[in-house]
Amino acid sequence: DTGVSQDPRHKITKRGQNVTFRCDPISEHNRLYWYRQTLGQGPEFLTYFQNEAQLEKSRLLSDRFSAERPKGSFSTLEIQRTEQGDSAMYLCASSSPGQRNYGYTFGSGTRLTVV
Amino acid sequence: GENVEQHPSTLSVQEGDSAVIKCTYSDSASNYFPWYKQELGKRPQLIIDIRSNVGEKKDQRIAVTLNKTAKHFSLHITETQPEDSAVYFCAASIGNTDKLIFGTGTRLQVFP
Repeated sequence: DTGVSQDPRHKITKRGQNVTFRCDPISEHNRLYWYRQTLGQGPEFLTYFQNEAQLEKSRLLSDRFSAERPKGSFSTLEIQRTEQGDSAMYLCASSSPGQRNYGYTFGSGTRLTVV
Repeated sequence: GENVEQHPSTLSVQEGDSAVIKCTYSDSASNYFPWYKQELGKRPQLIIDIRSNVGEKKDQRIAVTLNKTAKHFSLHITETQPEDSAVYFCAASIGNTDKLIFGTGTRLQVFP
């Protein structure tokens, strides 16, 4: 286990297309988070899971965005009908069970470009 | 809503000098304050964190201080090295939750 893995690393898509990203967290981590980072800004919270349960979604996450973590392991983030404003780095992170506010381990991210 | 402000946005120092980055937060219920280092094109990496029941924490050349009353926390890097060059982000928990709100980042450049 070498950390949090995200796939793909880069995605270029045409406006209006759907895209799906995958995140594989550290295996013993039961919390998984999705953040979005635009150029020159800090990451912004999108949603997070404890095991397979999605506990919260940010108001930044419009109806076009959906996230799943079906078996409490990997997670997917889907964006439907992409818009140019969706262009960003999508970061996944996971954290250790048993202690709140334990530091995240981030993945390398998926950079989405909508043209 | 919750907010974290970070200053300065850029910081240039000579190798061997100290660097200080400051953040303020708005949510008085925040109880966890991590700092992340992000090199160009790479993932943010946790470098140090502090919880609200502690005023200061040190790890080798890096230290973080927290003033809960003033809602300030700061990152101190001593004896800076060129490999410290990166963007540094502070963050604060949203209340007593696992969610974090991040500052806008400080680009630190350490010149040899």
